[in-house]
Amino acid sequence: DGGITQSPKYLFRKEGQNVTLSCEQNLNHDAMYWYRQDPGQGLRLIYYSQIVNDFQKGDIAEGYSVSREKKESFPLTVTSAQKNPTAFYLCASSTRAPNTEAFFGQGTRLTVV
Amino acid sequence: AQSVTQLGSHVSVSEGALVLLRCNYSSSVPPYLFWYVQYPNQGLQLLLKYTTGATLVKGINGFEAEFKKSETSFHLTKPSAHMSDAAEYFCAVSVGFSGGYQKVTFGTGTKLQVIP
Repeated sequence: DGGITQSPKYLFRKEGQNVTLSCEQNLNHDAMYWYRQDPGQGLRLIYYSQIVNDFQKGDIAEGYSVSREKKESFPLTVTSAQKNPTAFYLCASSTRAPNTEAFFGQGTRLTVV
Repeated sequence: AQSVTQLGSHVSVSEGALVLLRCNYSSSVPPYLFWYVQYPNQGLQLLLKYTTGATLVKGINGFEAEFKKSETSFHLTKPSAHMSDAAEYFCAVSVGFSGGYQKVTFGTGTKLQVIP
């Protein structure tokens, strides 16, 4: 079945550590996205990529980094510079056409301990 | 720039009652509109979408929404709530830009509680 796989589902990080969240899709989508979800704030865009080897900052990119070396993969690194990283992270993909929906992974819940 | 406003962060309805979740948008170009549902600790799932054509759109699980351009609204309704409808609902607007990419903006979400 086609879809998006995020791993791990739960992740614990010590302060000062970098962690990488995995996102893989087999839908042959060009565009991929990372969102952060906090209670009452909806989804906020961290980074997005419309094509391999290219990505753009979203609304809250500070403290995060990404790469897009393969069409299928869009990993997100939460760096130690991110002041408040505890959140639910969602990866999504879509075609580049604006009238098509995004497909979401099941999310990764990151907790700083 | 586009934006989405969902009125009411929490909505409670009795089982069997009408569900109405409100969404208003702003966009400088013709928008495409979506409703997604999220169950706890899961990703978002598409309920329905409006692209072009018929303004009344039917989705999964008995939900529907009507695009009203004059009111810049895309409210989500369901005639009779079921316990399984308890979830968080997100409205989203998508616009296209030159160069072949889209920008999607989500609302802040409405949590639906269904009371037995």
